[in-house]
Amino acid sequence: EVQLVESGGDLAQPGGSLRLSCEVSGFTFSIYAMTWVRQAPGKGLEWVSGISVGGGIKYYADSVKGRFTVSRDNSKNTLYLQMNSLRAEDTAVYYCARKHGAGDYNFYMDVWGKGTTVTVSS
Amino acid sequence: EIVMTQSPATLSVSPGERATLSCRASQTISNNLVWYQQKRGQAPRLLIYGASTRATDIPARFSGSGSGTEFTLTISSLQSEDFALYYCQQFNSWPLTFGQGTKVEIK
Repeated sequence: EVQLVESGGDLAQPGGSLRLSCEVSGFTFSIYAMTWVRQAPGKGLEWVSGISVGGGIKYYADSVKGRFTVSRDNSKNTLYLQMNSLRAEDTAVYYCARKHGAGDYNFYMDVWGKGTTVTVSS
Repeated sequence: EIVMTQSPATLSVSPGERATLSCRASQTISNNLVWYQQKRGQAPRLLIYGASTRATDIPARFSGSGSGTEFTLTISSLQSEDFALYYCQQFNSWPLTFGQGTKVEIK
């Protein structure tokens, strides 16, 4: 069974840091590009970051560029999101999601985790 | 950045009726569009990709159409499990962008 399980969500102070993890199983992680998408309470979906199959190409939304860093460890079947300089507006459920199909093109998501909650508040 | 605009924000439909949801892109995106369904407390689920191709295990009552800047998701005969939020997303260019969503509710 294909599974994505996020972890690392927590309460953080403004200006603080968190690292999210997404452990995958049931498919060959190393041939799929991956993304992070977030959803603030009561709001719509917002794409956050994407990473290529090999990890050499990374994409970020303007709202997180320079503060968040996406990475992956293909030997551990795990995707990461390092979140620094957190702001109240980063409060959201963070989903990791697999890009549909192998390779680095046509970035839409066919498998999603259940999400992990990040709350930024003093 | 490509802005995706969905309409209406809320659609009230009776079970068994047809629902038509719209999504407009601020610039042409060919057929590089997908639709997701999201139920309360759940992650999104891929419904349609390439503007008109149903994803795996998606019932035939869901159909997508359109190209360029105007897209439509049609649910031919609404079932109780279809009352949910629906989002479009373009993947023509970075950053990936979503519409703000259409809520399909029971009339």
